Amino acid sequence: EDQVTQSPEALRLQEGESSSLNCSYTVSGLRGLFWYRQDPGKGPEFLFTLYSAGEEKEKERLKATLTKKESFLHITAPKPEDSATYLCAVQHPGGGADGLTFGKGTHLIIQP
Amino acid sequence: EAGVAQSPRYKIIEKRQSVAFWCNPISGHATLYWYQQILGQGPKLLIQFQNNGVVDDSQLPKDRFSAERLKGVDSTLKIQPAKLEDSAVYLCASSSAAYGYTFGSGTRLTVV
Repeated sequence: EDQVTQSPEALRLQEGESSSLNCSYTVSGLRGLFWYRQDPGKGPEFLFTLYSAGEEKEKERLKATLTKKESFLHITAPKPEDSATYLCAVQHPGGGADGLTFGKGTHLIIQP
Repeated sequence: EAGVAQSPRYKIIEKRQSVAFWCNPISGHATLYWYQQILGQGPKLLIQFQNNGVVDDSQLPKDRFSAERLKGVDSTLKIQPAKLEDSAVYLCASSSAAYGYTFGSGTRLTVV
């Protein structure tokens, strides 16, 4: 059974204070690892998909990396508008069923 | 492209009542998903449709939940009868090979 564990559950940073969020996963045959951002009252918003160990992707102040067991979302010099819940998910490996298994998320607060 | 539309945005019902949610995916997206997100948790896949056929409903509580996707476009998710533990946000998502997953804003259900 696919499992996704995110840490920490919550993180409070000062504006400009860089940090990393962790996503550990167990899945038989990873098809893709996804990062989403979710604001209160809204659906998850797509950030990145990573497919193989060693892959990295960047978008503005965010950088996602992937190893065989975990993924990191690095946030460089964050701003208050980066405050949100960040969700990690793995894609089911089998046949036409390609739904996502999500972790519980990391609630990030950036203080001015 | 226009987003995934869901309605209603909010619904409050008493336990043992029935409720239905509606989803209109992005035009041309063949795959549609329903997820349940309980407060403080990540989304959990309930059912996946490919056109109007069910691909994966292994996590759908079939004694009380049902879903259909007529003509391979709009979809409805029904709960009958509702229980207190069904209180959650119900998210609809659609996907295509070109654009990946896109989530709607969800329907927040409160069962009292």
